[in-house]
Amino acid sequence: SSELTQDPAVSVALGQTVRITCQGDSLRSYYASWYQQKPGQAPVLVIYGKNNRPSGIPDRFSGSSSGNTASLTITGAQAEDEADYYCNSRDSSGNHNWVFGGGTKLTVL
Amino acid sequence: QVQLQESGPGLVKPSETLSLTCTVSGYSISSGYYWGWIRQPPGKGLEWIGSIYHSGSTYYNPSLKSRVTISVDTSKNQFSLKLSSVTAADTAVYYCARIQQYWFDPWGQGTLVTVSS
Repeated sequence: SSELTQDPAVSVALGQTVRITCQGDSLRSYYASWYQQKPGQAPVLVIYGKNNRPSGIPDRFSGSSSGNTASLTITGAQAEDEADYYCNSRDSSGNHNWVFGGGTKLTVL
Repeated sequence: QVQLQESGPGLVKPSETLSLTCTVSGYSISSGYYWGWIRQPPGKGLEWIGSIYHSGSTYYNPSLKSRVTISVDTSKNQFSLKLSSVTAADTAVYYCARIQQYWFDPWGQGTLVTVSS
């Protein structure tokens, strides 16, 4: 099995850039996907694959990866970006198992 | 546009079996993809429960494997979750989602299941 580790909380000033990170051994083999979750709502995919955004996701969201760390960057954070963000990837065990990070609470100041 | 909708009892007694169904619209399950269940205890993070392929192959979270069964009914375009011997720790919002290669999208709206006598 494997784990994905995220910082519990991050803050950013309105309009500034913020990076949310996710660490785990499985990220050496698989890209992370990223999900935004607002209170009372289901998670929404914001980044998948190397650095792909689903339709409707603003281009201020981007993803990157290096070694065992994946990052979600929001360039010019907006008030509506305040949410919980979760990373996710396949388990590095070789089975068809999945793992989620513990989540990062993003506060936009 | 693919949509998923969870359904099932919102209240389950301890030691009983939790049963949920995910109904898929806008896409035929038998056409492919994996389909998954994820849960989120109140105020906590996401936990993958298990996944099923349209052919019926299943994969379960090792921590839940002894209690979980996921099945698919392609004739109804649904897949289902059964979690046995539930306790208060199984109280959570349960989501279903389609798994596309290496990501979960879309998700259902989620359904809260409370385990209480």
